[in-house]
Amino acid sequence: AQSVTQLDSQVPVFEEAPVELRCNYSSSVSVYLFWYVQYPNQGLQLLLKYLSGSTLVESINGFEAEFNKSQTSFHLRKPSVHISDTAEYFCAVIQETTSYDKVIFGPGTSLSVIP
Amino acid sequence: GAGVSQSPSNKVTEKGKDVELRCDPISGHTALYWYRQSLGQGLEFLIYFQGNSAPDKSGLPSDRFSAERTGGSVSTLTIQRTQQEDSAVYLCASSLGAGAWDLEQYFGPGTRLTVT
Repeated sequence: AQSVTQLDSQVPVFEEAPVELRCNYSSSVSVYLFWYVQYPNQGLQLLLKYLSGSTLVESINGFEAEFNKSQTSFHLRKPSVHISDTAEYFCAVIQETTSYDKVIFGPGTSLSVIP
Repeated sequence: GAGVSQSPSNKVTEKGKDVELRCDPISGHTALYWYRQSLGQGLEFLIYFQGNSAPDKSGLPSDRFSAERTGGSVSTLTIQRTQQEDSAVYLCASSLGAGAWDLEQYFGPGTRLTVT
């Protein structure tokens, strides 16, 4: 069965500093990976996804994630964070079942950007 | 509507009462999901619908929890005889389909349930 690990439950970082949020998953034949973000008092929304092709994917607000098959990782990075990036970040992977493709979410990482 | 809507946004109920939570998915989305998010916890999968059928109910915590979906659209999550441990934010999401390429999930704002 697929599983997703986010080792850092909380990540405090100063404004304009770089950040990396780690995500590791258990291996599977086919891998599809997602990062979702939940801003304070808002619903979850998709940040970026990897389905195929280039292993480096980017979001419109400066985040990027790289699929690394050998390390079974999909870490999220941003070179310079803003206060508005304070949020909960969830990594997710698809688990292929006999009936449908199920999305498995990690436990989340709380990013706090310090002024 | 343009997005997934949920009602009520907040619900306070007494222990032992039944509650119903409603989800209106995005029009045309065939897949619908319920999750539970407890304070400081991640997302706990509850149930998945494809159309009106629920091929995966494996996440429902007990037989006090049930859900239905009618007309391939609105879904209701019912919790009977609520307990304090049911207090959480209940999230609904929908996606265009259930294949990997259609699996971007759109989430509603959630219903915050407090059982006193």
